[in-house]
Amino acid sequence: AQSVTQLGSHVSVSEGALVLLRCNYSSSVPPYLFWYVQYPNQGLQLLLKYTSAATLVKGINGFEAEFKKSETSFHLTKPSAHMSDAAEYFCAVSSGGSNYKLTFGKGTLLTVNP
Amino acid sequence: DTEVTQTPKHLVMGMTNKKSLKCEQHMGHRAMYWYKQKAKKPPELMFVYSYEKLSINESVPSRFSPECPNSSLLNLHLHALQPEDSALYLCASSPQGRRGTDTQYFGPGTRLTVL
Repeated sequence: AQSVTQLGSHVSVSEGALVLLRCNYSSSVPPYLFWYVQYPNQGLQLLLKYTSAATLVKGINGFEAEFKKSETSFHLTKPSAHMSDAAEYFCAVSSGGSNYKLTFGKGTLLTVNP
Repeated sequence: DTEVTQTPKHLVMGMTNKKSLKCEQHMGHRAMYWYKQKAKKPPELMFVYSYEKLSINESVPSRFSPECPNSSLLNLHLHALQPEDSALYLCASSPQGRRGTDTQYFGPGTRLTVL
């Protein structure tokens, strides 16, 4: 079975500071990994995904993530936080195969202080 | 157009009511999903339709009944729900549902309250 663990249910940063949201995965096969963002009372929006093409993945809104197989990690970063980045962030892993299932981590709430 | 639409946005129903949630996409996707999301929790998969056939049912109670009339539409029929079924119900679609690399596109959700 595949799973992801998000370290830290709540991360607080100052505006302009580095954002680092941590995600570790467990998988018996090469994983496909995703980061989604959810703003209050909205659905989920894809930020970026890793599909084995490149280990450093750039996404929308200035976010990027690096796949590190040796550390089984896929941490999300942004050099400079903006107030509009405040949201819930979910890391997810795909099971692949013939029945595509997305397994989510528990989520990390990012707050950005002025 | 990368939009998944869901109606209604909000729904309040009694435990004896019958209601339906509707989801629509016009991206030509062949896989569609229902998720349930409780407050402060990640989405939980309920059902997956792939090429208009039910391919995954995550042991969901029979009071939830999915329907996929065509490749663009997905319904969730609700009957005799319990207060603990109150949640945000999210619909999603993806190009095929048979590739782990496929992105799932989510709708805004229906906020369901069961009294």
